[in-house]
Amino acid sequence: DAKTTQPTSMDCAEGRAANLPCNHSTISGNEYVYWYRQIHSQGPQYIIHGLKNNETNEMASLIITEDRKSSTLILPHATLRDTAVYYCIVRVARAYKYIFGTGTRLKVLA
Amino acid sequence: SQTIHQWPATLVQPVGSPLSLECTVEGTSNPNLYWYRQAAGRGLQLLFYSVGIGQISSEVPQNLSASRPQDRQFILSSKKLLLSDSGFYLCAWRASDYSYNEQFFGPGTRLTVL
Repeated sequence: DAKTTQPTSMDCAEGRAANLPCNHSTISGNEYVYWYRQIHSQGPQYIIHGLKNNETNEMASLIITEDRKSSTLILPHATLRDTAVYYCIVRVARAYKYIFGTGTRLKVLA
Repeated sequence: SQTIHQWPATLVQPVGSPLSLECTVEGTSNPNLYWYRQAAGRGLQLLFYSVGIGQISSEVPQNLSASRPQDRQFILSSKKLLLSDSGFYLCAWRASDYSYNEQFFGPGTRLTVL
């Protein structure tokens, strides 16, 4: 699985968009980008995934650069409940293993 | 709908004692099953995964072992706990038919070894 690089921590004002970057410069053509988040003392929760095109669901948007070497998870209107650690993972869709890095600790400020 | 259970929720054990953590999944068949550990303030470390009954892949050599005696049951064990085994243990499952791309995590077991 390709290695990902994320900032250690970020702050965001409540109601503003939170933009969480992820660098995956060694990603291969058949690897997807997945995002999960982990709220304190809970198991991680799936947010979104994508291959090439930008994706949007009820939780977030995923913007993948044209060269696929980086991506950004966007929480359009961050709330206090979005305070969590966000993990960016790249993997082949049908691979068994998920390798989580250390993620970005997002703190949403009132 | 599918649900995943882990128990116990919290556990305090002395160094050198045995360990058995259990995970069960309901509402799906032949899931891929996973054990992760998260040390305090750290990321998730994949310990074991299983693609079927009796099939276990180990990711990190250590004093832990895993077993899958039934299709939807995954057990994490140790004969003698170390202080470094303290952490938050998470079980997860993924549909083996790829109907979902994501993993689903259980509530976790917080283990403290004293």
